[in-house]
Amino acid sequence: DIVMTQSPDSLAVSLGERATINCKSSQSVLYSSNNLNYLAWYHQKPGQPPKLLIYWASSRESGVPDRFSGSGSGTEFTLTISSLQAEDVAVYYCQQYYSTPYTFGQGTKLEIK
Amino acid sequence: EVQLVESGGGLVQPGGSLRLSCTASGFTVSSNYMSWVRQAPGKGLEWVSGIYRDGSTYYADSVKGRFTISRDNSKNTLYLQMNSLRVEDTAVYYCAREGEVIGRFDYWGQGTLVTVSS
Repeated sequence: DIVMTQSPDSLAVSLGERATINCKSSQSVLYSSNNLNYLAWYHQKPGQPPKLLIYWASSRESGVPDRFSGSGSGTEFTLTISSLQAEDVAVYYCQQYYSTPYTFGQGTKLEIK
Repeated sequence: EVQLVESGGGLVQPGGSLRLSCTASGFTVSSNYMSWVRQAPGKGLEWVSGIYRDGSTYYADSVKGRFTISRDNSKNTLYLQMNSLRVEDTAVYYCAREGEVIGRFDYWGQGTLVTVSS
């Protein structure tokens, strides 16, 4: 199984500041035949299901604000929120869909400082 | 509008069985890849099982041989039959659509809570 490890486990950022969450996979999730990274990012607010933010490591889902961006390739990935808004408080998860079982990182709790 | 509504959760004793349902609207279940994902109380997300458009099925090792995923095309509904339940199966169970990309969960239901306890 591919193990996904996020850092940090929790993060406090001031409103309007940048937030950065990292994700490492135990093996590459880059599929060489199409040069796509099978990596997604979600956030989950209390009492709600997860919501897809980013897929293919850097493609923003429709309707997701452009302050959210993803980067990285192979085994190391980053989610960046360029200017933190109050509504961004949530737990953030990365997930690989390169192979089953699909696996998630342990989550990063993002709070306002 | 795409919607997923889960039902069937509840309290069950260890060793018991439960069947979860996920009724979809706004799209056709049989034309999409679909999965069940669970979340134990206060914990992270764990993929449980998936079904492809062609009907082939996949399971996490933790549930293989105990859980069965299926769908009823006439009812546009996804199911998860859970047998031999264990305390560690306690979780909120979400059904999720994978859309055009296998393994990428673009729509989620609100979830249904399964509690396994004596």
